[in-house]
Amino acid sequence: EVQLVESGGGLVKPGGSLRLSCAASGFSFSTYRMNWVRQAPGKGLEWVSSISSSSDYINYADSLKGRFTISRDNAKNSLFLQMNSLRAEDTAVYYCARGGGCTSTSCYFPDYWGQGTLVTVSS
Amino acid sequence: DIQMTQSPSTLSASVGDRVTITCRASQSISSWLAWFHQKPGKAPKLLIYKASSLESGVPSRFSGSGSGTEFTLTISSLQPDDFATYYCQQYNSYPWTFGQGTKVEVK
Repeated sequence: EVQLVESGGGLVKPGGSLRLSCAASGFSFSTYRMNWVRQAPGKGLEWVSSISSSSDYINYADSLKGRFTISRDNAKNSLFLQMNSLRAEDTAVYYCARGGGCTSTSCYFPDYWGQGTLVTVSS
Repeated sequence: DIQMTQSPSTLSASVGDRVTITCRASQSISSWLAWFHQKPGKAPKLLIYKASSLESGVPSRFSGSGSGTEFTLTISSLQPDDFATYYCQQYNSYPWTFGQGTKVEVK
């Protein structure tokens, strides 16, 4: 059974940092592109970042302006999101999601999502 | 970036109703569109991928159609478990973008 379990969320002051983790199991983690998607309280879904299976292709939402860094450890089946210079508007549930990217013939959708971890940025 | 526009934002319906939600992309995304629904406090759940393919385990009352820039999600006979918020999402290119959501509520 595919499982994605996020952790690392919590309350942090504006300007602070937080590192989120996503532990993957039940599939060959090293062969899948992975993503972070967030959802502010009462709002819609917003894609944050994506990393290819071997970490050679990385994308970020323009709105992050270089404050977040995505990474992965395939040996430990883990995905990470380092978040720096946090702002109140970064308050959200952060989900990791499996999938993404395109070949010459197909594109891949986010088929499995974790349960999310809440990040609250407040003084 | 590709903008996704869903309509309506809110939909009031009764059990047994046929429900249709529309999603428009600002440029062609071929058939690279997914539909999710989400209940409060829960992660999004995949319903449809590639515009019209039903995800395994999803009831057949859900169906999707469209290609290019216009897409539709239909629930043929609304069930109590279907009251939720629905999102479309394009995965044609990064940045992935989502519609703003359609809340299906009890009439």
